[in-house]
Amino acid sequence: EIVMTQSPATLSVSPGERATLSCRASQSVSSNLAWYQHKPGQAPRLLIYGASTRATGIPARFSGSGSGTEFTLTISSLQSEDFAVYYCQQYDDWRGTFGQGAKVEIK
Amino acid sequence: QVELVQSGAEVKKPGASVTLSCKASGYTFTNYGVSWVRQAPGQRLEYVGWISGYNGKTDYARNFQGRVTMTTDTSTNTAYMELRSLSSDDTAVYYCGRWGPLYPLIDYWGQGTLVTVSS
Repeated sequence: EIVMTQSPATLSVSPGERATLSCRASQSVSSNLAWYQHKPGQAPRLLIYGASTRATGIPARFSGSGSGTEFTLTISSLQSEDFAVYYCQQYDDWRGTFGQGAKVEIK
Repeated sequence: QVELVQSGAEVKKPGASVTLSCKASGYTFTNYGVSWVRQAPGQRLEYVGWISGYNGKTDYARNFQGRVTMTTDTSTNTAYMELRSLSSDDTAVYYCGRWGPLYPLIDYWGQGTLVTVSS
């Protein structure tokens, strides 16, 4: 099973600042990597797929990069609605595996 | 707009079964699959399985094979997941989501259903 490891576990950021989240795969997943945003009590939301392609309706302040085993999600200027938990998921292995999540909180 | 609405919270005793539903709207149900993912307390999201909205083909994660059955009702655009022989380890929030067709991932998720297994 491909293990996905996210860092940091928690990121404290002020509104308007940049946030950078990392995701590492235990083996290469090519560009088969997605990022999701999850707020308490809500459905998770797909942000990025193919490591760098924004999903429908996702603002341009969200960007993804990387390939192989190292990936990054960047939120260029945090808005109040961006404080949430973010998950990466590889789908190179068809059934997919998720990272443990990274919480972005207000500093 | 695409929406998946899941059934309400369940409380079950060990050894019992539970059936969850996921009603889809806003898209052609038969053009996509439905995947089920769960998250136990303090654990990461875990793939449970997938069912094709087109032909009912299924794939179940190894951990659940023999204990889970997924079905669809294309007349109501609803997917179902039955999980049997419940134990406390099955206490989790269960999510359904629209799957594929281009990529094996969920692009729209339901709001989740909490299943609590307790004696």
